[in-house]
Amino acid sequence: ILNVEQSPQSLHVQEGDSTNFTCSFPSSNFYALHWYRWETAKSPEALFVMTLNGDEKKKGRISATLNTKEGYSYLYIKGSQPEDSATYLCAYQTDSWGKLQFGAGTQVVVTP
Amino acid sequence: EPEVTQTPSHQVTQMGQEVILRCVPISNHLYFYWYRQILGQKVEFLVSFYNNEISEKSEIFDDQFSVERPDGSNFTLKIRSTKLEDSAMYFCASSDRTIRSTDTQYFGPGTRLTVL
Repeated sequence: ILNVEQSPQSLHVQEGDSTNFTCSFPSSNFYALHWYRWETAKSPEALFVMTLNGDEKKKGRISATLNTKEGYSYLYIKGSQPEDSATYLCAYQTDSWGKLQFGAGTQVVVTP
Repeated sequence: EPEVTQTPSHQVTQMGQEVILRCVPISNHLYFYWYRQILGQKVEFLVSFYNNEISEKSEIFDDQFSVERPDGSNFTLKIRSTKLEDSAMYFCASSDRTIRSTDTQYFGPGTRLTVL
């Protein structure tokens, strides 16, 4: 994998259901993997910065895992609520200089 | 909670005109970035800036682009002669980058640039 890829591109979830989606990134030259939550007309909101293989991070009902050896990260939303509707972006970082390489995002729509 | 701010929220300009996009990073941050997202494409890195110097720039960041930190609070992106393909949402970000595990880049809400 040469680029950062996210799948699916979009998904619709019923309120109360749980969901997850994937970020794939190059497994070489890994420094960190970032997750952002982005609502239209707002600033992308930082969710997690993950650096170690096997990392698991949690923020409320949202959690993420990291596998640097195989180059993927999962983001999980437990018990989805309408306010979880947003585009979730992952970004790959190869060194401490901080340039982020973004995936195209997964657009999540939670319907009541 | 501290946040990155950007002005204007929307800028419309004629092709060939100069534009300056402004950002106020979080006050104690030392590392600054510009990214952009052309409609329908990924967010892409333009430039990073530290200690009054460009740290890294992408291929996009050619001689038409420049960045400046004119005072202790503002961080600007200038496009000297805008092209149609410069139309995009431009994001500013800042980081204090002190600890790897919390090396978060905080983004502003973006400036939508429309070149006619």
